[in-house]
Amino acid sequence: NAGVTQTPKFRVLKTGQSMTLLCAQDMNHEYMYWYRQDPGMGLRLIHYSVGEGTTAKGEVPDGYNVSRLKKQNFLLGLESAAPSQTSVYFCASSYSSRGTDTQYFGPGTRLTVL
Amino acid sequence: RKEVEQDPGPFNVPEGATVAFNCTYSNSASQSFFWYRQDCRKEPKLLMSVYSSGNEDGRFTAQLNRASQYISLLIRDSKLSDSATYLCVVNMGGGSNYKLTFGKGTLLTVNP
Repeated sequence: NAGVTQTPKFRVLKTGQSMTLLCAQDMNHEYMYWYRQDPGMGLRLIHYSVGEGTTAKGEVPDGYNVSRLKKQNFLLGLESAAPSQTSVYFCASSYSSRGTDTQYFGPGTRLTVL
Repeated sequence: RKEVEQDPGPFNVPEGATVAFNCTYSNSASQSFFWYRQDCRKEPKLLMSVYSSGNEDGRFTAQLNRASQYISLLIRDSKLSDSATYLCVVNMGGGSNYKLTFGKGTLLTVNP
């Protein structure tokens, strides 16, 4: 049981380049989330998904797009990267939407945009 | 008031010490509360949920005061392995999991 995995672990982009971050979970969770973590700030929700084929905006969605074509995968896309998107990106999943459910996090992707 | 505010830290304590972390939250309608632990350059992991009656898990005790909108985490007999950042997490959304709000975290270093 791998839990939540993220690809890639590290990436350096130039301003204006695009990339896709892949999150995969093998726990059959319905809910998946993308967060970003910046120094001196708490984790902030970018987008989330309540099930296959659905996506919704979180707190800081601008500049990002997501897709959930398969239940186990949640993709985060940056169409035109900006230095302000330099951050550590965490994917998470949970079994349901109940507020008491544990969110399980992936190991993170460290992205630098030059 | 910030949505979720924690002690800024950092905390440096010797092994065996007792250390307490405090957290306040702004939304009185918040329904669920957690402490997560995050090791350096790793992902956050759930340490424990916080229940209204208070709860204990080994050396860790969590308490909730709804009237004061305050959460605490007490670590007794600190170990070197307790060194990490502790995140206070509050569900602000009336029970839906996508409304978790994370505090900035408090860094704890336990020294030999």
